[in-house]
Amino acid sequence: ETTLTQSPAFMSATPGDKVNISCKASQDIDDDMNWYQQKPGEAVIFIIQEATTLVPGIPPRFSGSGYGTDFTLTINNIESEDAAYYFCLQHDNFPLTFGQGTKVEIK
Amino acid sequence: QVQLVQSGTEVKKPGASVKVSCKASGYTFTSYAMHWVRQAPGQRLEWMGWINAGNGNTKYSQKFQDRVTITSDTSASTAYMELSSLRSEDTAVYYCAREVTRIVGASYGMDVWGQGTTVTVSS
Repeated sequence: ETTLTQSPAFMSATPGDKVNISCKASQDIDDDMNWYQQKPGEAVIFIIQEATTLVPGIPPRFSGSGYGTDFTLTINNIESEDAAYYFCLQHDNFPLTFGQGTKVEIK
Repeated sequence: QVQLVQSGTEVKKPGASVKVSCKASGYTFTSYAMHWVRQAPGQRLEWMGWINAGNGNTKYSQKFQDRVTITSDTSASTAYMELSSLRSEDTAVYYCAREVTRIVGASYGMDVWGQGTTVTVSS
């Protein structure tokens, strides 16, 4: 089973900041990494697929990078509406596994 | 638009079973697999299993293998997840989520998620 270690667990940002969230896999998963956004009371939103591909309709301030075991979700010029819980998912092997999640607060 | 609507909140006693439904709309139900995922309070999300809505084939996480049954009703475009022998640790929000790809047997993760169903197990 692939363990995903996501960090930080919590971060506070100011509008306009650049934010990086890390997800490290316990084994090589190629680019089989997705990122999601979750806000309280709302459905989960799919934001990055295959490590680097922005899902259609997602603002371009979101980007993903990485391959193998180290992955990063970056939010450039963060906005107040980006306050949410973000999590990573690996789909390289079963069982699919998730990172612990990162809560992003906007000051 | 693609939408997954789940059944409502459940409260169950230890030892009971719960069955959560997930009604799909906006796409051809049998063309995509459906995943079930849960999140217990303060814990990370856990993948429970999935079903190929076209042929009914399932695959379960070893952790839940003995207690979970995922089924689908193609006439109703609805997937179901039943968890038996409930214990307090099963208190969680349960989600259905559509598989990204239509390639049978492969997973590219999930694209559309249901709103979640809260299941509370308490005596």
